[in-house]
Amino acid sequence: EIVLTQSPGTLSLSPGERATLSCRASQSVDSSYLAWYQQKAGQAPRLLIYGASSRATGIPDRFSGSGSGTDFTLTISRLEPEDFAVYYCQQYGISPMYTFGQGTKLEIK
Amino acid sequence: EVQLVESGGGLVQPGGSLRLSCAASGFTFSTYSMNWVRQAPGKGLEWVSYISSGSTAISYADSVKGRFTISRDNAKNSLYLQMNSLRDEDTAVYYCARDGGIMITLWGQGTLVTVSS
Repeated sequence: EIVLTQSPGTLSLSPGERATLSCRASQSVDSSYLAWYQQKAGQAPRLLIYGASSRATGIPDRFSGSGSGTDFTLTISRLEPEDFAVYYCQQYGISPMYTFGQGTKLEIK
Repeated sequence: EVQLVESGGGLVQPGGSLRLSCAASGFTFSTYSMNWVRQAPGKGLEWVSYISSGSTAISYADSVKGRFTISRDNAKNSLYLQMNSLRDEDTAVYYCARDGGIMITLWGQGTLVTVSS
């Protein structure tokens, strides 16, 4: 089973700054199978990025994904107040079908 | 509006049973595979179960295998999760989630299941 480790656990930044979130896999992952989600407090997760770098419908272009192999990154180019949330990476596999990282909390500094 | 609405959560004693339901609307439910994903209080996301559009393929996380049963009724646009032999560690918000092949494209708002004596 592939384990996804996200870092940092908490990231404190100010609106307007750039955020870089990391997701590292315990073994190589097909980048097609790597996705990112945003979850705001009290809400369900929302798909941001799939295939490591493709934005989901309606996602602003300040969100971008990159990476391959075992190292993947979610970048938010210029933080807006509504971007402060918890972010999860996810890998698609066979068993289990979906594996999630433990999450990175992006908080206002 | 495209949406998923879960119901059926509540308080149950350890060893008890509960059946969750998910009502889909705004899209052709019968053409999509579906999942249940849960989130324990203050914790991350854990995939629980998958069912294909025609119920021919079903998969479970090891943590619930043999205790939970996923099913669907395409005529009623509904997804279900029968949970038996519930444990304290099954306490979580349970999300109904539409499958996108290799990611989850739509989530419901969730229903809280609390297992406690």
